[in-house]
Amino acid sequence: EVQLVESGGGLVKPGGSLRLSCATSGFTFSISSINWVRQALGKGLEWVSSISPGSTYIYYADSVKGRFTISRDDAKRSVYLQMNSLRAEDTAVYYCVRLADTGAGSYYFDFWGQGSLVTVSS
Amino acid sequence: YGLAQPLSVSVALGQTARISCGGNNIGSKSVHWYQQKPGQAPVLVIFSDSNRPSGIPERFSGSNSGNTAALTISRAQAGDEADYYCQVWDSSAAGVFGTGTKVTVL
Repeated sequence: EVQLVESGGGLVKPGGSLRLSCATSGFTFSISSINWVRQALGKGLEWVSSISPGSTYIYYADSVKGRFTISRDDAKRSVYLQMNSLRAEDTAVYYCVRLADTGAGSYYFDFWGQGSLVTVSS
Repeated sequence: YGLAQPLSVSVALGQTARISCGGNNIGSKSVHWYQQKPGQAPVLVIFSDSNRPSGIPERFSGSNSGNTAALTISRAQAGDEADYYCQVWDSSAAGVFGTGTKVTVL
């Protein structure tokens, strides 16, 4: 069974930092791309970041570029999201998701974690 | 790249609901759909325009042409009440989601 489990969320002050972790099981992690998607309370889904196998390709949404860093540890089957210079608008549930390849240049999110709530407030 | 969805769609129990997803020449892209029930993570219901993952009922179907993609829910059930999001993968290597549609089953 494919599982992705997020941890590390919580309350942080504006300008502060937080590190999210995503522990995975049930699939071949080393050949999988993993993404982060977030959702503010009562709002829609927003793609945040993507990391490919071997960390060869890393991408960020413009809204977090320069502040967030995605990384992976294949030995631990885990992905991390280091979030610095946090703002109130970063408040959201952060989902760890596995990226699937259609084989035709498109990608979708086939398995999702349950999410980790990050609250940025003074 | 922006994807526009209606804010809400209502459907009578047992009838058919259609959720649109509009984007510039979206027919040239692969469109994927997610269902999200309150307090839960999204679940993939359609990938690559019209393919259903294992475990998704045949009542869910998808289409994509021109500037509009659509998710159709046939024989709607109370359990289909949820928010639905379309998604494409942008050429800038980013995931792009639609604005989301709340489906109400009357």
